[in-house]
Amino acid sequence: QSALTQPASVSGSPGQSITISCTGTSTDVGSYNLVSWYQQHPGKAPKLMIYDVTNRPSGVSDRFSGSKSGNTASLTISGLQAEDEAEYYCSSYTRSDTWVFGGGTRLSVL
Amino acid sequence: QVQLVQSGAEVKKPGASVNLSCKASGYTFTRFYVHWVRQAPGQGLEWMGIINPSNNSTTYAQKFQGRVTMTRDTSTTTVYMELSSLRFEDTAVYYCARSFLASDGFDFWGQGTMVTVSS
Repeated sequence: QSALTQPASVSGSPGQSITISCTGTSTDVGSYNLVSWYQQHPGKAPKLMIYDVTNRPSGVSDRFSGSKSGNTASLTISGLQAEDEAEYYCSSYTRSDTWVFGGGTRLSVL
Repeated sequence: QVQLVQSGAEVKKPGASVNLSCKASGYTFTRFYVHWVRQAPGQGLEWMGIINPSNNSTTYAQKFQGRVTMTRDTSTTTVYMELSSLRFEDTAVYYCARSFLASDGFDFWGQGTMVTVSS
C-alpha cells in the first residue's frame, strides 16, 4: 500500500485560508468516505482534526473543514492562526481493511 | 478521562525483539480498537496494525507481517506490540491510538515510545 500524496509544505498569513490536498487511489481515498486528518506539533502525538472526510471531533475549531472529490481529499483551514503552524497528515481506510497515511504537509503561518 | 499510557524508551540491538505496552484507562477497554503507528525521526506516520481487544483479532500492515504481533490483556486493560528481527530502520517513536470502529479516525493517542536500534 503506497502512501497518500500530500504537498510537502504550504504557507499562509494570519487570517488567510489554506487548503492541503491528499491524493490516493480508487482502493483507498476513492473507495470510502473514511479519510481522517491529524495535526502534529513537534514532539507531540498527533491530534485528530477531521474524520469521515468532513466531521470534526468535539473541541476542534470550526475553522477546520474537510472535503473529498474522487481520489483526492482536502483539508481547509480558514482564519489562519499562529497556533495552526504544525505538520498535517491525512489518512484513509483501504479496501484491504488497513489504514494508509499521507507523507505529511508542513504548514507555516508567516 | 481517556488515557493511553505507553511504556518507556527502549534501546535494542539489531536482530533483537522489542515488546511495547499501551495501558488504557477512562473508557470500556473492549469497546475500542487499538492501532499502532510509528514515526521514524523526521519522517511521517506509518500504520502498523490494529487489534480488537474484545476478541484479540488483529490485522497487520503487509510490510510488518511476520515480524509484528499485537496482543491484549483484558485484566489489565493493556495492549502489547512485539516487533521482532529489529533493523536500524525500525528506530522510531511508536504510538498506540484508539478508534471506536476499525474504520474510524484515531481519537486518542498515547504519548509515544522511542525505540532505538543500535549496535
